[in-house]
Amino acid sequence: RKEVEQDPGPFNVPEGATVAFNCTYSNSASQSFFWYRQDCRKEPKLLMSVYSSGNEDGRFTAQLNRASQYISLLIRDSKLSDSATYLCVVNYRMGTQGAQKLVFGQGTRLTINP
Amino acid sequence: DTGVSQNPRHKITKRGQNVTFRCDPISEHNRLYWYRQTLGQGPEFLTYFQNEAQLEKSRLLSDRFSAERPKGSFSTLEIQRTEQGDSAMYLCASSFTALRQTLGTEAFFGQGTRLTVV
Repeated sequence: RKEVEQDPGPFNVPEGATVAFNCTYSNSASQSFFWYRQDCRKEPKLLMSVYSSGNEDGRFTAQLNRASQYISLLIRDSKLSDSATYLCVVNYRMGTQGAQKLVFGQGTRLTINP
Repeated sequence: DTGVSQNPRHKITKRGQNVTFRCDPISEHNRLYWYRQTLGQGPEFLTYFQNEAQLEKSRLLSDRFSAERPKGSFSTLEIQRTEQGDSAMYLCASSFTALRQTLGTEAFFGQGTRLTVV
């Protein structure tokens, strides 16, 4: 089983629609969670950190369910510029020296159609 | 530009040759990661440094791969005897986390080095 799993899509939705992505993770020791956005042939860029109480940033809402080990991202009123790949990222500590590992899902590709 | 810098941006090499990539993290970031990404996949963890110490190395990283961060600042990733399967985007990321902080902070990525082995 992969450490972080996402539905790869692709998701094709009309402009203005609401779209939701889910992500599951296998390591219950995971401590921090993020959503990154990656445009074609570009580097990943942080979209949102995911806090345990859930958080919202404009049209974007992220939620975390530790009991079920999943993270979600909701995009409301989608724009053409939201077309990208969305990467779910889980961070957890390893060993006793404080090493941390950021584990990425394979990404969900989103296309917003005019 | 004070972001993460990677060089070169593109590298084409013949199978069997050695290649070395460089990453300059954001100044004062104590953590540095190397990832590999192929088309349609998310970034795949390769190795991690905290300051100059290499604390974790993926099992996927064969003996042909080695990484260093000699002074806790820039890092290099070397691939010896390259194979066609090494063709990928190699991404470097950095972050800062205080010593006793248990939660990870977000990482910032460089633009990557695209390796093509012919």
